Amino acid sequence: DARVTQTPRDKVTEMGQEVTMRCQPILGHNTVFWYRQTMMQGLELLAYFRNRAPLDDSGMPKDRFSAEMPDATLATLKIQPSEPRDSAVYFCASGLDIFSPYGYTFGSGTRLTVV
Amino acid sequence: AQKITQTQPGMFVQEKEAVTLDCTYDTSDPSYGLFWYKQPSSGEMIFLIYQGSYDQQNATEGRYSLNFQKARKSANLVISASQLGDSAMYFCAMSDQGGSEKLVFGKGMKLTVNP
Repeated sequence: DARVTQTPRDKVTEMGQEVTMRCQPILGHNTVFWYRQTMMQGLELLAYFRNRAPLDDSGMPKDRFSAEMPDATLATLKIQPSEPRDSAVYFCASGLDIFSPYGYTFGSGTRLTVV
Repeated sequence: AQKITQTQPGMFVQEKEAVTLDCTYDTSDPSYGLFWYKQPSSGEMIFLIYQGSYDQQNATEGRYSLNFQKARKSANLVISASQLGDSAMYFCAMSDQGGSEKLVFGKGMKLTVNP
């Protein structure tokens, strides 16, 4: 089965450090989403790309977060500097479009803990 | 703006019984897709079923079916013959063309299947 691969699986870092999360979407998928999941806020959409172009990053704190897609096989989410409130599970998902019956496939997530 | 509402915080069902998970949505766009995801305690997000706004028939995938009532803007998930492994969080999501096809999730609901 094709998979969305996220690395690292777990990350513990100190406040103020830079964190980079990576996502390898499924080959051929042209849409990539980044989500953050917390108990309080649920699944928040941070950013998403279509054909590598950023479409919407309005859900992302611009001062410290950045999302890029340098090529079709890699999407990155960077936090600099990290803060304890950034502790969450970050998911990447990829897919085709809203009319695809196969939905969007999620990666296993990166569990980030900022201490 | 897109909106997904899941009002049931939690439900309990006996094994082998059917259960309906509620989801209502709000959009002014005629073109949209509706999705259901399962998140077991292990944390991964598993795509279950998709319904397109122009689909004439309700979607079915094995024990999952989607009760799509367009006029009422509801997209309830029906799980037939519940199994213990169905215990999980369930999320309804929507993507519409007017919202640049971003995928927005409801807050989810917890299903517990009792033996």
